[in-house]
Amino acid sequence: NAGVTQTPKFRVLKTGQSMTLLCAQDMNHEYMYWYRQDPGMGLRLIHYSVGEGTTAKGEVPDGYNVSRLKKQNFLLGLESAAPSQTSVYFCASSYSPASGSVDIQYFGAGTRLSVL
Amino acid sequence: GENVEQHPSTLSVQEGDSAVIKCTYSDSASNYFPWYKQELGKGPQLIIDIRSNVGEKKDQRIAVTLNKTAKHFSLHITETQPEDSAVYFCAATLYSSASKIIFGSGTRLSIRP
Repeated sequence: NAGVTQTPKFRVLKTGQSMTLLCAQDMNHEYMYWYRQDPGMGLRLIHYSVGEGTTAKGEVPDGYNVSRLKKQNFLLGLESAAPSQTSVYFCASSYSPASGSVDIQYFGAGTRLSVL
Repeated sequence: GENVEQHPSTLSVQEGDSAVIKCTYSDSASNYFPWYKQELGKGPQLIIDIRSNVGEKKDQRIAVTLNKTAKHFSLHITETQPEDSAVYFCAATLYSSASKIIFGSGTRLSIRP
């Protein structure tokens, strides 16, 4: 039972480079999320998805794009990385409210990204 | 929008003593308050939660209290053990609106042997 798996675990980019972070969940969850975690600022929502083929902006969406082509996968893209995007990125997933389950979010182990 | 403040940012307690972490929220419409524990190198994990129709909830050594009037809620850990060392996050949201969950800035709890 893998839960939520994030790849890669670590990455170093140069300013202007692009990359994609992959999140995969095996719990058949409807909702998926991308957060960034910065020192002293807790977790801030970047984008989220309430189902396959849907995405929506969170609190800090600028500079990021996402796609949810398959229910189990949620991709986070950085088109032109900037030093301000140096952070730890977490993916999470949860059941939908319609399932009757409280919206407990299950987190992956994180991706540590440095942009030089 | 919702704003969640969490205190203290760091906390060190002697093993066996109690630890208390406090959070305040701004949006009176929030009705669901989860607490997450993040161990080193791992993602956050839900440890306990409380809804606004309940004043207190316990689960073994951990408990959460909620004061809706004052808009603050607290996490209490009794008989602390080394494995309690971690970063703890409080959060506030509307139940069943998980996309709107707002996290506090975190408390790094250290347990001294």
